[in-house]
Amino acid sequence: ETGVTQTPRHLVMGMTNKKSLKCEQHLGHNAMYWYKQSAKKPLELMFVYNFKEQTENNSVPSRFSPECPNSSHLFLHLHTLQPEDSALYLCASSQGAQTYEQYFGPGTRLTVT
Amino acid sequence: AQKVTQAQTEISVVEKEDVTLDCVYETRDTTYYLFWYKQPPSGELVFLIRRNSFDEQNEISGRYSWNFQKSTSSFNFTITASQVVDSAVYFCALKPISSGSARQLTFGSGTQLTVLP
Repeated sequence: ETGVTQTPRHLVMGMTNKKSLKCEQHLGHNAMYWYKQSAKKPLELMFVYNFKEQTENNSVPSRFSPECPNSSHLFLHLHTLQPEDSALYLCASSQGAQTYEQYFGPGTRLTVT
Repeated sequence: AQKVTQAQTEISVVEKEDVTLDCVYETRDTTYYLFWYKQPPSGELVFLIRRNSFDEQNEISGRYSWNFQKSTSSFNFTITASQVVDSAVYFCALKPISSGSARQLTFGSGTQLTVLP
């Protein structure tokens, strides 16, 4: 595997379900990110982790819970979601959090029913 | 606060035409990076270029070229002799360079480019 991988690629869940999105980067980077991409809206940064520590939470509702066990893995735990949470969730990584370009995974297309 | 504006929401061209995607930005920071990303239908954003605010040299990479004009706060992207495979959504983004807490990418809303055969 190379680059940034995300699983699953597609997910349909009910509002009462609990699911998790997984991201793994094979680039030796130290920073990882979660973004939300909704139709007709710019990418929204959700969370930033730098050396496994969360450095930014962009006012994300608590029904989204990130976890970063190490610099290569990032999870987004989902529970009690709303239909408006349906979107493409993109994971990215960069060598450092401050000055480096980010490399993105293919995203998870989430549909909340 | 910073803002990135991509006024062209959709552009259609015929293969082999040249096309320019516009990007205008606002920032109070004196040093920053500018980026272009490509998002094909598969969904993954592909990094294309990063430019420093203190380097206004234009750059060419194959059929791609970028025109950075600090005086007009613009960072436009031109594809020469477009091909069908260039069809994608293109995002411009800005990131301040700061030594403090990580200040992150601000993306424009994207331009959907369709290249017709």
